[in-house]
Amino acid sequence: GEDVEQSLFLSVREGDSSVINCTYTDSSSTYLYWYKQEPGAGLQLLTYIFSNMDMKQDQRLTVLLNKKDKHLSLRIADTQTGDSAIYFCAESKSRASKIIFGSGTRLSIRP
Amino acid sequence: EAGVVQSPRYKIIEKKQPVAFWCNPISGHNTLYWYLQNLGQGPELLIRYENEEAVDDSQLPKDRFSAERLKGVDSTLKIQPAELGDSAVYLCASSAGQVSSYNEQFFGPGTRLTVL
Repeated sequence: GEDVEQSLFLSVREGDSSVINCTYTDSSSTYLYWYKQEPGAGLQLLTYIFSNMDMKQDQRLTVLLNKKDKHLSLRIADTQTGDSAIYFCAESKSRASKIIFGSGTRLSIRP
Repeated sequence: EAGVVQSPRYKIIEKKQPVAFWCNPISGHNTLYWYLQNLGQGPELLIRYENEEAVDDSQLPKDRFSAERLKGVDSTLKIQPAELGDSAVYLCASSAGQVSSYNEQFFGPGTRLTVL
């Protein structure tokens, strides 16, 4: 079946790197996403990666995909207070199919 | 360009009452989604429209939930009658569908429903 799992909480010091991990079960997942949700707001797509890629970097964000272990991670370099939010890992089989979301990881920043 | 618009933002009703949520997708987006987000959970798809056709409604509890997307633009999600367990955030999203190289869905701010 389709399932996406991620840890519920992560606390990091301002300026450090944050690494949010995710595992998924569906080996036919083609698209893997990271969404950000701030309080009272909808979800915002941060980045995505195709299943035939190992890594994608976009400014402070680095996504690593281990397809063999079905493991996805999001690294945020130089974490700032504005990065405080809930981060959702998600996957879909195709660009038209539904997106399966994890339960989200709440990232909090310590001064 | 305006994003996905939803109204109302908040709704409080008593159980057994009906309720309706409205969504206006991004202009030109032919795919529209309704998601349910329970507290502490990720969104779960309720229904997906391609233009005015519901192409995936397998997760929609059809005994009390209904949706429509007349003319393939705006959409309404209705619950009748509402139950206590329906308290959640209802998110609408839209995407460019098949013309997009990947399935980026743009989300509205959601409607937070509280059933008393």
